[in-house]
Amino acid sequence: ETGVTQTPRHLVMGMTNKKSLKCEQHLGHNAMYWYKQSAKKPLELMFVYSLEERVENNSVPSRFSPECPNSSHLFLHLHTLQPEDSALYLCASSQVTGGSREQYFGPGTRLTVT
Amino acid sequence: AQSVTQLDSQVPVFEEAPVELRCNYSSSVSVYLFWYVQYPNQGLQLLLKYLSGSTLVKGINGFEAEFNKSQTSFHLRKPSVHISDTAEYFCAVSMNTGFQKLVFGTGTRLLVSP
Repeated sequence: ETGVTQTPRHLVMGMTNKKSLKCEQHLGHNAMYWYKQSAKKPLELMFVYSLEERVENNSVPSRFSPECPNSSHLFLHLHTLQPEDSALYLCASSQVTGGSREQYFGPGTRLTVT
Repeated sequence: AQSVTQLDSQVPVFEEAPVELRCNYSSSVSVYLFWYVQYPNQGLQLLLKYLSGSTLVKGINGFEAEFNKSQTSFHLRKPSVHISDTAEYFCAVSMNTGFQKLVFGTGTRLLVSP
């Protein structure tokens, strides 16, 4: 595997389900991000982990719970979601110190809440 | 805080014609600037970036952008587009010091027709 991978690519869940999204980066980066991309809205930054410590939490509802067990893996745990949470969830990684600063994105998980 | 404006939500163009996608930013400090492309059902891919130095930046797939500090712009150009360039294009900005959170514009959909 190369770059940033995300699983699953598609997920349909009911409002009472619990599921998790997984992201893995193979680039040796030390920062990871979760974004939400909804139709006709700007990309929304949800969470940032830098050196495995959460450094940003943009007023995201508690039904979204991130976890970063190490610098290569990032999870987004989902529970009791709402239909308006249906979106494309993108994971990204970057090198915080030095480097060229850009973020590398995974292909995303298309989430549909029914 | 930084912000990014992409005034054109959609730009239709014929194949082999030139195109310019506009991006203006607002920031009280020096910034890094990026253009990303998103093809259908995929994540974001970096097209090009401006960190410092020459204000004309060349990227992948024949795209280039020019950083204009006085006009706070970073417009993306291609002299001759292909059908395969049909995609969503996002401009993004980050501070060039400290933790480099990316702020994205709302995107411009480039539609190339034969």
